[in-house]
Amino acid sequence: QQQVKQSPQSLIVQKGGISIINCAYENTAFDYFPWYQQFPGKGPALLIAIRPDVSEKKEGRFTISFNKSAKQFSLHIMDSQPGDSATYFCAADFYEKLTFGTGTRLTIIP
Amino acid sequence: KAGVTQTPRYLIKTRGQQVTLSCSPISGHRSVSWYQQTPGQGLQFLFEYFSETQRNKGNFPGRFSGRQFSNSRSEMNVSTLELGDSALYLCASSFSTDSYGYTFGSGTRLTVV
Repeated sequence: QQQVKQSPQSLIVQKGGISIINCAYENTAFDYFPWYQQFPGKGPALLIAIRPDVSEKKEGRFTISFNKSAKQFSLHIMDSQPGDSATYFCAADFYEKLTFGTGTRLTIIP
Repeated sequence: KAGVTQTPRYLIKTRGQQVTLSCSPISGHRSVSWYQQTPGQGLQFLFEYFSETQRNKGNFPGRFSGRQFSNSRSEMNVSTLELGDSALYLCASSFSTDSYGYTFGSGTRLTVV
């Protein structure tokens, strides 16, 4: 019940396009849903996060959509840029413990 | 302001040895968590400390232990190393008593040979 499922495993998007990564969870006790971006050789960096009482949150080019009834949430990256090429992890928090998805390797091509 | 500092960055150990990894959180942060990252298992929670108390522990064997000092610095120890312990060990710190806004360090890359 602690699993967070993430898809796709890898994603190639053209520069200027929209990148979409999806996650699903099972444990309804999760109360915080962050997305992390990780570059090679670095630790994950918090990108954007949402709580389950909100259906959407937007910060710049990054948007989280949250569907509580379906237990799903997604990350949308608008106007994707080559600098966005990285691995993205969704996560869900319960009692100061983050459960991570398996990651999506995003590549933005010119 | 300085980020989360983990030392050493790289470490090579032999099976059966023990290792201690160090984490200095962002100044003022009192919560420190440790995660293991491997290609096969992804990012997995090890444990979390707040004000020197372990509040939460993941599903790892007792060979994995940690502690937090009064200045919030934390160490984790792995005894009797196994090849499968090879991983990137990440430390994350937060100001408050929840995971909101955890900042991760760059990690310690442990290789067990």
